[in-house]
Amino acid sequence: KAGVTQTPRYLIKTRGQQVTLSCSPISGHRSVSWYQQTPGQGLQFLFEYFSETQRNKGNFPGRFSGRQFSNSRSEMNVSTLELGDSALYLCASSLELAGETQYFGPGTRLLVL
Amino acid sequence: GIQVEQSPPDLILQEGANSTLRCNFSDSVNNLQWFHQNPWGQLINLFYIPSGTKQNGRLSATTVATERYSLLYISSSQTTDSGVYFCAVVPGDYKLSFGAGTTVTVRA
Repeated sequence: KAGVTQTPRYLIKTRGQQVTLSCSPISGHRSVSWYQQTPGQGLQFLFEYFSETQRNKGNFPGRFSGRQFSNSRSEMNVSTLELGDSALYLCASSLELAGETQYFGPGTRLLVL
Repeated sequence: GIQVEQSPPDLILQEGANSTLRCNFSDSVNNLQWFHQNPWGQLINLFYIPSGTKQNGRLSATTVATERYSLLYISSSQTTDSGVYFCAVVPGDYKLSFGAGTTVTVRA
């Protein structure tokens, strides 16, 4: 069974631009979560989607948003990029229930100049 | 929110040595996972262990939920064990919360 895939793997943007990242979960997994990893703040939970609905949300500004499609694929969007948004963005999928084992993708490295 | 503390922050081992990594958490949890992050950034699942003891090859883990800690044991370490080990817990709000990690360096 294929693992979690994320595209693109690397991205360079400039301040003020917006970016969309994509995540395809493991086949059969219906929950997708997103995380941001930075050297200063570590790994932080962004949000979780299940059945096309946001089920949980972390403490990030409204510039960070996401959505999930009927095939469980998910996208996250960051608008009006800031230098501090430079990070590794990780997506994880799990079967269904909140709190179940999560399986992570390889991540998208975003650099904001 | 819940606090997750990992110790030690850094660990340098000679190949073949054994080690113990610790994870303390400040509140009751629904789930606990251990991950290994490889040099390319991918988080690899090691254990799903809300309580009890599990073993997988040279790695084993124990979680004592009532005392709010978990231990990850690495035996007969190899250079491929190098990387960052993260403990992550699922508290009552179901937001997966990570510790700061333990960076392990295994020298040949």
